[in-house]
Amino acid sequence: QKEVEQNSGPLSVPEGAIASLNCTYSDRVSQSFFWYRQYSGKSPELIMSIYSNGDKEDGRFTAQLNKASQYVSLLIRDSQPSDSATYLCAVNPGSNYKLTFGKGTLLTVNP
Amino acid sequence: GAVVSQHPSWVICKSGTSVKIECRSLDFQATTMFWYRQFPKQSLMLMATSNEGSKATYEQGVEKDKFLINHASLTLSTLTVTSAHPEDSSFYICSGLAGGQETQYFGPGTRLLVL
Repeated sequence: QKEVEQNSGPLSVPEGAIASLNCTYSDRVSQSFFWYRQYSGKSPELIMSIYSNGDKEDGRFTAQLNKASQYVSLLIRDSQPSDSATYLCAVNPGSNYKLTFGKGTLLTVNP
Repeated sequence: GAVVSQHPSWVICKSGTSVKIECRSLDFQATTMFWYRQFPKQSLMLMATSNEGSKATYEQGVEKDKFLINHASLTLSTLTVTSAHPEDSSFYICSGLAGGQETQYFGPGTRLLVL
């Protein structure tokens, strides 16, 4: 069974700090990886996608992918209270574009 | 990013009635749409994959006769919950996928409460 694992949290960081969110996946053939942010009561919104090993930066967000270790992470620099949300890791394990989601990590940024 | 809308955003219905939820891609053509369900404090669970002009593919454990999906055009998919019961109360979210793309864009969701 294809699985995506995340620490459920909550992860609590002070404002201005770096928040580090981690995700591991079980299907070695996975090719596409996504981070979504979900505020309470809302639907997920895309933060970043990553397809190749290494780092990908977009503003305060950096996604890191290591396919050998089956590990993907999201770093949020200069964390703001508005970043407080649940962060969902999603993996596309094949060619049918279906996503497998982790259970999400609840991040709280304290002012 | 691409925009997906859902209607209604909230629906309350009596047990035994049917409810239709619409999902529209507003600024792109969604060759594939996905329907998810999310219970409180749980992650998204994929219910079915809908391709324009063909029958939906349902995930294991999802009753296709209870959750009717129609994807008649490249911008509209509908989910009908037939004979809804209280255990069907959940947050239903659709997403759209443009042809050749890998990124799913989510609608705002529909919260269903069955009394």
